[in-house]
Amino acid sequence: EIVMTQSPATLSVSPGERATLSCRASQTVNINLAWFQQKPGQAPRLLISGASTRATGIPARFSGSGSGTEFTLTISSLQSEDFAVYFCQQYNNWPYTFGQGTKLEIK
Amino acid sequence: EVQLMQSGAEVKKPGESLKISCQGSGYKFTSYWIGWVRQMPGKGLEWMGIIYPSDSDTRYNPSFQGQVTISADKSTSTAYLQWSSLKASDTAIYYCARNVVAGGDYWGQGTLVTVSS
Repeated sequence: EIVMTQSPATLSVSPGERATLSCRASQTVNINLAWFQQKPGQAPRLLISGASTRATGIPARFSGSGSGTEFTLTISSLQSEDFAVYFCQQYNNWPYTFGQGTKLEIK
Repeated sequence: EVQLMQSGAEVKKPGESLKISCQGSGYKFTSYWIGWVRQMPGKGLEWMGIIYPSDSDTRYNPSFQGQVTISADKSTSTAYLQWSSLKASDTAIYYCARNVVAGGDYWGQGTLVTVSS
């Protein structure tokens, strides 16, 4: 099973600033990497698939990069609605696996 | 509009059986893999298994193999997750998601299952 490790566990950022979240895979997942946002009491929401392709309706301030084992999610200018938990997920090898999440909180 | 509508919250006792559902609409149900994800209280996300409704090809996460059964009914565009004997440790929110082999683009609202004596 591929282990996905996210860092940091918690990130404190001020509104309007940039946030950079990292995700590392224990072995290559090529570009079969997705990012999700989850708010309390809600289902996860797909932000990015294919490591860098924004899902339908996702604002351009969200961008993804990376391939192989190292990936990054960048939120260019944080809005109040962006404070949430973010998960990465590999879908290269079954069982697909998620990272443990990064909580993005208001500084 | 693509939607996945899950069945409502359940409260069960240990040892009881349960089947929860996920009905797809707004797309061709048989064309996309559907999966089930567990989220235990305050914890992360785990894929339990996936099914291709067209031919019912099913794959289980080894961690859940033998613990649950996943099925699908093409005639009603519904996927199912069932337990034959629940444990307290099955208490969690369960989500279904579509197109899992491409990340999982649409998700159901979640079904809270509480198992308590």
